Amino acid sequence: DQQVKQNSPSLSVQEGRISILNCDYTNSMFDYFLWYKKYPAEGPTFLISISSIKDKNEDGRFTVFLNKSAKHLSLHIVPSQPGDSAVYFCAARETSGSRLTFGEGTQLTVNP
Amino acid sequence: GEEVAQTPKHLVRGEGQKAKLYCAPIKGHSYVFWYQQVLKNEFKFLISFQNENVFDETGMPKERFSAKCLPNSPCSLEIQATKLEDSAVYFCASSSLGNEQFFGPGTRLTVL
Repeated sequence: DQQVKQNSPSLSVQEGRISILNCDYTNSMFDYFLWYKKYPAEGPTFLISISSIKDKNEDGRFTVFLNKSAKHLSLHIVPSQPGDSAVYFCAARETSGSRLTFGEGTQLTVNP
Repeated sequence: GEEVAQTPKHLVRGEGQKAKLYCAPIKGHSYVFWYQQVLKNEFKFLISFQNENVFDETGMPKERFSAKCLPNSPCSLEIQATKLEDSAVYFCASSSLGNEQFFGPGTRLTVL
């Protein structure tokens, strides 16, 4: 039972344009959501998070939107840069200190 | 330290041998998590600790896997009598308040 799903295995965008990565979840007990970036042979790097009491969180070029009624979140990267090319994982947890449940990842490629 | 440290980077074991992996969480973080990445983009939760106490061990295959987080020592994950299917990258993560988890670089275990 996949509780967190990223339906797009890959996304390709031009440098300077917006990248939008999507994530859906089924578990209504999730109350905190995170995005990680991962390069090959490295551990996931934390990017940005959002609590379920908010609908938007922004940090520099990264913005996460949460639509609780649709059980959907998205990560916007503006402007996209070639160094952003990596696999992006959406993750969610139920309570403070509990495990993360990950999506399958989306490979983002930003073309110069 | 300021980063999660994991040792060794690579570990090769013959089937049936013991494997022991180590993790030093970020200083001041009270939560430690272990995840297993078998397929390229699939993270499986194993166990978590709050300080030296087991917080959630529902992901652990208890017959052969054990883990500890003792004061003033790196945390450890031990696999007795390794099997081919244990070949994976094992990630450790730590968290201060149980929200954002920060990951180490991983240990790649190969069982031959």
